[in-house]
Amino acid sequence: AQSVTQLGSHVSVSEGALVLLRCNYSSSVPPYLFWYVQYPNQGLQLLLKYTSAATLVKGINGFEAEFKKSETSFHLTKPSAHMSDAAEYFCAASGAVGASKLTFGTGTRLQVTL
Amino acid sequence: ETGVTQTPRHLVMGMTNKKSLKCEQHLGHNAMYWYKQSAKKPLELMFVYNFKEQTENNSVPSRFSPECPNSSHLFLHLHTLQPEDSALYLCASSQELQGYEQYFGPGTRLTVT
Repeated sequence: AQSVTQLGSHVSVSEGALVLLRCNYSSSVPPYLFWYVQYPNQGLQLLLKYTSAATLVKGINGFEAEFKKSETSFHLTKPSAHMSDAAEYFCAASGAVGASKLTFGTGTRLQVTL
Repeated sequence: ETGVTQTPRHLVMGMTNKKSLKCEQHLGHNAMYWYKQSAKKPLELMFVYNFKEQTENNSVPSRFSPECPNSSHLFLHLHTLQPEDSALYLCASSQELQGYEQYFGPGTRLTVT
């Protein structure tokens, strides 16, 4: 079965610092991969997606993620954190063949401090 | 309206009440989903519908009853709920079932008293 692991349930960075949120997946075939962001009392908003095209994927709000098959990873980065980036971030995977649903990680709460 | 909408945004109900959650997607998608999001737990997929047909029920208690009259609307009928059912209920839709991103509504915050 597909699984998604997000290392670190809480990450704290200073404003202007690099943001790195980690995601690893387990799959025998490269899946479709997604990052979502959830602000308080809101639904999940798609940040970016990997669908087997370019391995470096650019998303909204300055975020990007790199698919590394050898490491089964899809880490999310942003060069310079902003206070408005404080939210919960979810990594998700969908099987390339046959799977009918997204498997979500447990989420990482990003705190941005002054 | 654009995207995925959900009503009501907040709901408080007693354990003996019957209520319904509504979801509508304005994206022309064919698949719709109900998720439950509880504090300190991973997002739980409850039901999946594709072209109005239920394709997945992840062992959800029968006190939750979904209904999908067409590809744009999805309901979750609730009756005799338990306090542990208090959570954020999220609706999502996608173009197709496989390999497509899901678009989420804002959720209904349910409190069972």
